[in-house]
Amino acid sequence: QVQLQESGPGLVKPSQTLSLTCTVSGGSISSGSYYWSWIRQPAGKGLEWIGRIYTSGSTNYNPSLKSRVTISVDTSKNQFSLKLSSVTAADTAVYYCAREPTYSSGWYDYWGQGTLVTVSS
Amino acid sequence: QSALTQPASVSGSPGQSITISCTGTSSDVGSYNLVSWYQQHPGKAPKLMIYEGSKRPSGVSNRFSGSKSGNTASLTISGLQAEDEADYYCCSYAGSSTFDLYVFGTGTKVTVL
Repeated sequence: QVQLQESGPGLVKPSQTLSLTCTVSGGSISSGSYYWSWIRQPAGKGLEWIGRIYTSGSTNYNPSLKSRVTISVDTSKNQFSLKLSSVTAADTAVYYCAREPTYSSGWYDYWGQGTLVTVSS
Repeated sequence: QSALTQPASVSGSPGQSITISCTGTSSDVGSYNLVSWYQQHPGKAPKLMIYEGSKRPSGVSNRFSGSKSGNTASLTISGLQAEDEADYYCCSYAGSSTFDLYVFGTGTKVTVL
Protein backbone atom coordinates (compact mmCIF):
# COMPACT_ATOMS: atom_id res chain seq x y z
CA GLN A 1 0.00 0.00 0.00
CA VAL A 2 1.49 3.29 -1.11
CA GLN A 3 1.70 5.98 1.56
CA LEU A 4 2.78 9.60 1.33
CA GLN A 5 3.80 11.69 4.33
CA GLU A 6 4.50 15.42 4.38
CA SER A 7 7.01 16.91 6.79
CA GLY A 8 8.44 20.33 7.48
CA PRO A 9 8.09 23.45 9.64
CA GLY A 10 4.57 24.39 10.62
CA LEU A 11 5.43 28.07 11.01
CA VAL A 12 7.26 30.26 8.51
CA LYS A 13 7.95 33.98 8.76
CA PRO A 14 6.77 36.35 6.03
CA SER A 15 9.25 36.84 3.18
CA GLN A 16 11.03 33.59 4.04
CA THR A 17 11.01 30.29 2.16
CA LEU A 18 8.57 27.49 2.93
CA SER A 19 10.18 24.05 2.64
CA LEU A 20 8.31 20.74 2.75
CA THR A 21 9.27 17.16 2.01
CA CYS A 22 7.04 14.27 0.99
CA THR A 23 8.28 10.77 1.82
CA VAL A 24 6.86 7.95 -0.27
CA SER A 25 6.63 4.44 1.15
CA GLY A 26 5.23 1.20 -0.25
CA GLY A 27 6.45 2.00 -3.75
CA SER A 28 9.38 3.47 -5.62
CA ILE A 29 9.29 7.11 -6.63
CA SER A 30 11.50 6.07 -9.55
CA SER A 31 8.96 3.71 -11.09
CA GLY A 32 8.37 6.11 -13.95
CA SER A 33 4.64 5.61 -13.93
CA TYR A 34 3.74 8.63 -11.85
CA TYR A 35 4.05 12.36 -11.42
CA TRP A 36 4.53 13.57 -7.84
CA SER A 37 2.48 16.64 -7.03
CA TRP A 38 1.89 19.35 -4.46
CA ILE A 39 -1.59 20.75 -3.79
CA ARG A 40 -2.63 23.21 -1.10
CA GLN A 41 -5.83 24.23 0.66
CA PRO A 42 -6.29 27.40 2.72
CA ALA A 43 -8.54 26.93 5.72
CA GLY A 44 -12.18 26.74 4.70
CA LYS A 45 -11.33 27.12 1.02
CA GLY A 46 -10.80 25.03 -2.07
CA LEU A 47 -7.82 23.17 -3.46
CA GLU A 48 -5.06 24.74 -5.53
CA TRP A 49 -2.60 22.83 -7.71
CA ILE A 50 0.96 23.99 -7.06
CA GLY A 51 2.94 21.79 -9.41
CA ARG A 52 4.46 18.38 -10.06
CA ILE A 53 7.68 16.56 -10.81
CA TYR A 54 8.54 13.46 -12.77
CA THR A 55 11.22 11.03 -11.68
CA SER A 56 13.53 12.46 -14.35
CA GLY A 57 13.36 15.84 -12.63
CA SER A 58 11.08 17.42 -15.21
CA THR A 59 8.67 19.87 -13.57
CA ASN A 60 5.42 21.71 -14.25
CA TYR A 61 4.27 24.63 -12.12
CA ASN A 62 1.07 26.60 -11.70
CA PRO A 63 1.72 29.79 -13.72
CA SER A 64 0.39 31.89 -10.82
CA LEU A 65 3.09 30.52 -8.50
CA LYS A 66 5.83 29.67 -10.96
CA SER A 67 8.17 32.52 -10.03
CA ARG A 68 8.28 31.37 -6.39
CA VAL A 69 8.05 27.56 -6.62
CA THR A 70 10.71 24.89 -6.89
CA ILE A 71 9.91 21.16 -6.73
CA SER A 72 12.75 18.66 -6.58
CA VAL A 73 13.13 14.90 -6.21
CA ASP A 74 15.60 12.73 -4.29
CA THR A 75 15.20 9.21 -5.61
CA SER A 76 17.79 7.82 -3.18
CA LYS A 77 15.55 8.81 -0.28
CA ASN A 78 12.25 8.17 -2.12
CA GLN A 79 11.29 11.78 -1.42
CA PHE A 80 10.27 14.88 -3.29
CA SER A 81 10.26 18.42 -1.96
CA LEU A 82 8.58 21.80 -2.29
CA LYS A 83 10.13 25.20 -1.82
CA LEU A 84 7.99 28.33 -1.97
CA SER A 85 9.86 31.60 -1.61
CA SER A 86 8.83 35.07 -0.44
CA VAL A 87 5.82 33.75 1.44
CA THR A 88 3.00 35.93 2.75
CA ALA A 89 -0.05 35.25 4.89
CA ALA A 90 -1.86 34.23 1.70
CA ASP A 91 0.37 31.14 1.56
CA THR A 92 -1.02 29.85 4.87
CA ALA A 93 -2.66 26.54 4.04
CA VAL A 94 -2.67 22.81 4.45
CA TYR A 95 -0.17 21.44 1.96
CA TYR A 96 -0.73 18.00 0.46
CA CYS A 97 1.55 15.82 -1.60
CA ALA A 98 -0.14 13.43 -4.02
CA ARG A 99 0.54 10.86 -6.73
CA GLU A 100 -0.71 11.30 -10.31
CA PRO A 101 -0.52 8.48 -12.89
CA THR A 102 1.33 9.47 -16.04
CA TYR A 103 -0.72 7.25 -18.35
CA SER A 104 -3.81 9.35 -17.69
CA SER A 105 -3.00 12.60 -16.04
CA GLY A 106 -5.18 14.87 -14.00
CA TRP A 107 -6.16 12.65 -11.13
CA TYR A 108 -4.58 11.87 -7.81
CA ASP A 109 -4.99 8.38 -6.40
CA TYR A 110 -2.88 8.65 -3.25
CA TRP A 111 -2.56 11.67 -0.98
CA GLY A 112 -0.58 12.50 2.10
CA GLN A 113 -2.49 13.44 5.25
CA GLY A 114 -1.57 17.08 4.75
CA THR A 115 0.50 19.46 6.84
CA LEU A 116 -0.57 22.90 8.00
CA VAL A 117 1.85 25.70 7.30
CA THR A 118 1.17 29.05 8.88
CA VAL A 119 2.92 32.19 7.68
CA SER A 120 3.23 34.61 10.56
CA SER A 121 5.85 36.67 12.32
CA GLN B 1 -7.32 30.70 -14.69
CA SER B 2 -10.42 30.72 -12.48
CA ALA B 3 -11.65 27.89 -10.30
CA LEU B 4 -14.37 25.69 -11.72
CA THR B 5 -17.84 26.62 -10.46
CA GLN B 6 -19.72 24.28 -8.15
CA PRO B 7 -22.85 24.89 -6.06
CA ALA B 8 -21.92 25.75 -2.49
CA SER B 9 -24.23 23.14 -1.04
CA VAL B 10 -26.46 20.26 -2.03
CA SER B 11 -28.64 18.23 0.30
CA GLY B 12 -30.77 15.13 0.15
CA SER B 13 -32.46 12.54 2.31
CA PRO B 14 -31.08 9.04 2.81
CA GLY B 15 -31.78 6.88 -0.22
CA GLN B 16 -32.27 9.81 -2.57
CA SER B 17 -30.04 10.77 -5.49
CA ILE B 18 -28.23 14.08 -5.78
CA THR B 19 -26.16 15.63 -8.54
CA ILE B 20 -23.29 18.09 -8.16
CA SER B 21 -22.38 20.22 -11.15
CA CYS B 22 -18.94 21.49 -12.08
CA THR B 23 -18.96 24.24 -14.69
CA GLY B 24 -15.87 25.31 -16.53
CA THR B 25 -15.09 26.62 -19.98
CA SER B 26 -14.10 25.40 -23.41
CA SER B 27 -10.49 25.73 -22.24
CA ASP B 28 -10.77 23.16 -19.48
CA VAL B 29 -13.79 20.91 -18.82
CA GLY B 30 -15.07 21.30 -22.36
CA SER B 31 -11.80 20.43 -24.05
CA TYR B 32 -10.54 17.43 -22.12
CA ASN B 33 -11.95 14.19 -20.77
CA LEU B 34 -9.82 14.65 -17.67
CA VAL B 35 -12.31 15.59 -14.97
CA SER B 36 -11.85 13.96 -11.59
CA TRP B 37 -13.90 14.16 -8.42
CA TYR B 38 -12.78 14.04 -4.79
CA GLN B 39 -14.57 13.51 -1.50
CA GLN B 40 -13.17 15.25 1.57
CA HIS B 41 -14.31 14.68 5.12
CA PRO B 42 -13.42 17.35 7.73
CA GLY B 43 -9.76 17.29 8.65
CA LYS B 44 -8.99 14.56 6.12
CA ALA B 45 -7.19 14.42 2.80
CA PRO B 46 -9.26 14.31 -0.39
CA LYS B 47 -10.21 10.86 -1.70
CA LEU B 48 -10.46 10.09 -5.41
CA MET B 49 -14.01 9.10 -6.37
CA ILE B 50 -14.12 9.50 -10.18
CA TYR B 51 -11.40 9.93 -12.83
CA GLU B 52 -11.44 10.53 -16.57
CA GLY B 53 -14.94 11.89 -16.19
CA SER B 54 -16.77 8.66 -15.41
CA LYS B 55 -14.39 5.94 -14.21
CA ARG B 56 -14.46 4.66 -10.63
CA PRO B 57 -11.28 3.58 -8.85
CA SER B 58 -11.28 0.17 -7.26
CA GLY B 59 -13.06 0.26 -3.92
CA VAL B 60 -15.31 3.22 -4.67
CA SER B 61 -19.01 2.44 -4.44
CA ASN B 62 -20.97 2.19 -7.69
CA ARG B 63 -23.40 4.66 -6.12
CA PHE B 64 -21.01 7.32 -7.40
CA SER B 65 -21.08 8.13 -11.10
CA GLY B 66 -19.70 10.90 -13.29
CA SER B 67 -20.67 12.43 -16.59
CA LYS B 68 -19.99 15.46 -18.77
CA SER B 69 -21.94 17.60 -21.18
CA GLY B 70 -20.23 20.47 -22.91
CA ASN B 71 -18.43 22.61 -20.35
CA THR B 72 -20.17 21.06 -17.35
CA ALA B 73 -19.23 17.88 -15.54
CA SER B 74 -21.48 16.22 -12.99
CA LEU B 75 -21.16 13.84 -10.07
CA THR B 76 -24.24 11.85 -9.09
CA ILE B 77 -24.57 10.08 -5.77
CA SER B 78 -27.42 7.59 -5.74
CA GLY B 79 -28.85 5.90 -2.65
CA LEU B 80 -27.50 8.70 -0.47
CA GLN B 81 -26.05 7.51 2.83
CA ALA B 82 -25.01 9.33 6.00
CA GLU B 83 -21.34 8.59 5.26
CA ASP B 84 -21.61 10.54 2.00
CA GLU B 85 -21.86 13.79 3.95
CA ALA B 86 -18.66 15.60 3.02
CA ASP B 87 -17.19 18.24 0.75
CA TYR B 88 -16.77 17.34 -2.92
CA TYR B 89 -14.35 18.90 -5.41
CA CYS B 90 -14.01 18.51 -9.15
CA CYS B 91 -10.72 18.94 -10.98
CA SER B 92 -9.89 19.45 -14.65
CA TYR B 93 -6.86 19.90 -16.84
CA ALA B 94 -6.70 23.50 -18.02
CA GLY B 95 -3.34 23.72 -19.70
CA SER B 96 -2.22 24.44 -23.20
CA SER B 97 0.68 23.77 -25.50
CA THR B 98 2.83 26.14 -23.47
CA PHE B 99 1.99 25.24 -19.91
CA ASP B 100 0.36 22.61 -17.75
CA LEU B 101 -2.30 23.53 -15.23
CA TYR B 102 -4.91 21.76 -13.20
CA VAL B 103 -7.81 23.66 -11.69
CA PHE B 104 -10.15 22.55 -8.95
CA GLY B 105 -13.75 23.44 -8.35
CA THR B 106 -15.00 25.76 -5.63
CA GLY B 107 -16.29 22.81 -3.65
CA THR B 108 -19.74 21.56 -2.68
CA LYS B 109 -20.86 20.63 0.81
CA VAL B 110 -23.19 17.65 0.71
CA THR B 111 -25.60 17.36 3.60
CA VAL B 112 -27.60 14.24 4.31
CA LEU B 113 -30.85 15.34 5.92
